[in-house]
Amino acid sequence: GNSVTQMEGPVTLSEEAFLTINCTYTATGYPSLFWYVQYPGEGLQLLLKATKADDKGSNKGFEATYRKETTSFHLEKGSVQVSDSAVYFCAVTNAGGTSYGKLTFGQGTILTVHP
Amino acid sequence: EAGVTQSPTHLIKTRGQQATLRCSPISGHTSVYWYQQALGLGLQFLLWYDEGEERNRGNFPPRFSGRQFPNYSSELNVNALELEDSALYLCASSFRGDVSPLHFGNGTRLTVT
Repeated sequence: GNSVTQMEGPVTLSEEAFLTINCTYTATGYPSLFWYVQYPGEGLQLLLKATKADDKGSNKGFEATYRKETTSFHLEKGSVQVSDSAVYFCAVTNAGGTSYGKLTFGQGTILTVHP
Repeated sequence: EAGVTQSPTHLIKTRGQQATLRCSPISGHTSVYWYQQALGLGLQFLLWYDEGEERNRGNFPPRFSGRQFPNYSSELNVNALELEDSALYLCASSFRGDVSPLHFGNGTRLTVT
């Protein structure tokens, strides 16, 4: 089955610092890749996605590029804000077989941004 | 548009009891998904329902079961509760199995004592 490995946290940064959260995946076929964000006390929200190799997903200053050759989908932001403090999840899915309708998530990375 | 709603917000049960969690999807969505978010373990896929049928199931024992009603709402039942069932249970919805994206509710926090 599919699997996702995220860099372990927690990650603590100062405001305006550069952020990278690493994500690598294992999946067959042509998977789609996602980053979700979970703010305290809330459910998950889709942050960005990419559906084919070399696609770049972007939203709210965050970016991630689908790298099939390295099976990676690293999340980056050039200048983080205190409001970006949350838990970030990388996820993968592919249509077919036992993975149909199923998102496989990484363990999550806790990000804390200090003023 | 109303989002995915889950009830109750918190649920406290004793080991061996049964728990019932409920979920109402976004209007127009036909699929409901259940995930377990145990502390430190990320999100684990539990169940997917679409048009009233169970379509896929994660690696959980049969005491985790559920159903989807004609109005597309869903309930998750956990029988013979164990301490390790304590977790945040998240429900998500989408249209006909399209997981791109999933829309999540805020979850039900189940505590088993």
